[in-house]
Amino acid sequence: GQQLNQSPQSMFIQEGEDVSMNCTSSSIFNTWLWYKQDPGEGPVLLIALYKAGELTSNGRLTAQFGITRKDSFLNISASIPSDVGIYFCAGQLVRKLIFGQGTELSVKP
Amino acid sequence: EAQVTQNPRYLITVTGKKLTVTCSQNMNHEYMSWYRQDPGLGLRQIYYSMNVEVTDKGDVPEGYKVSRKEKRNFPLILESPSPNQTSLYFCASSLDLGPINEQFFGPGTRLTVL
Repeated sequence: GQQLNQSPQSMFIQEGEDVSMNCTSSSIFNTWLWYKQDPGEGPVLLIALYKAGELTSNGRLTAQFGITRKDSFLNISASIPSDVGIYFCAGQLVRKLIFGQGTELSVKP
Repeated sequence: EAQVTQNPRYLITVTGKKLTVTCSQNMNHEYMSWYRQDPGLGLRQIYYSMNVEVTDKGDVPEGYKVSRKEKRNFPLILESPSPNQTSLYFCASSLDLGPINEQFFGPGTRLTVL
């Protein structure tokens, strides 16, 4: 089946640093989504991208839908301790979401 | 409060003992789905349902069954669990699977099969 390659798998950063993670695929997606999973909870949607080239912000988060429709990135600026968690990209096909492997973010105060 | 609920949250069982994980949503959503989450693999879809009595296989359906007799409920059934089904399971729902409809996830069920 389709796969998304998400990198990096984990990041250990200092509070205040910026973070960047990305997803690539061999398939074209109509929609790219970014989710965050806090420890012990289900994923929650952060940002949705609907058009190739689209750049969308949500507070300190910025995400872009790649021009080729096969990739997306998520940036977090000025990280804070509550940014800790697992971040997932997801590409949407007609009837399903395909998830990346996740990026586990640790923030040191 | 709009939510997706799953029960149980934690379950330890033995190989071959049938079990059911329940999922319920109170948002009148058409689309429901089950995922399993394993380290390094992200979330993989097991089954999904576009509406009552309409279910279809996801990417990893082997060893699982589902039913959708009512709109709000979408139970996951393991007829004969095996250790490779030890995982963290999430149920999710959305209004439909159109591009602008967010999927809401339940809190997860951690299953251990001995």
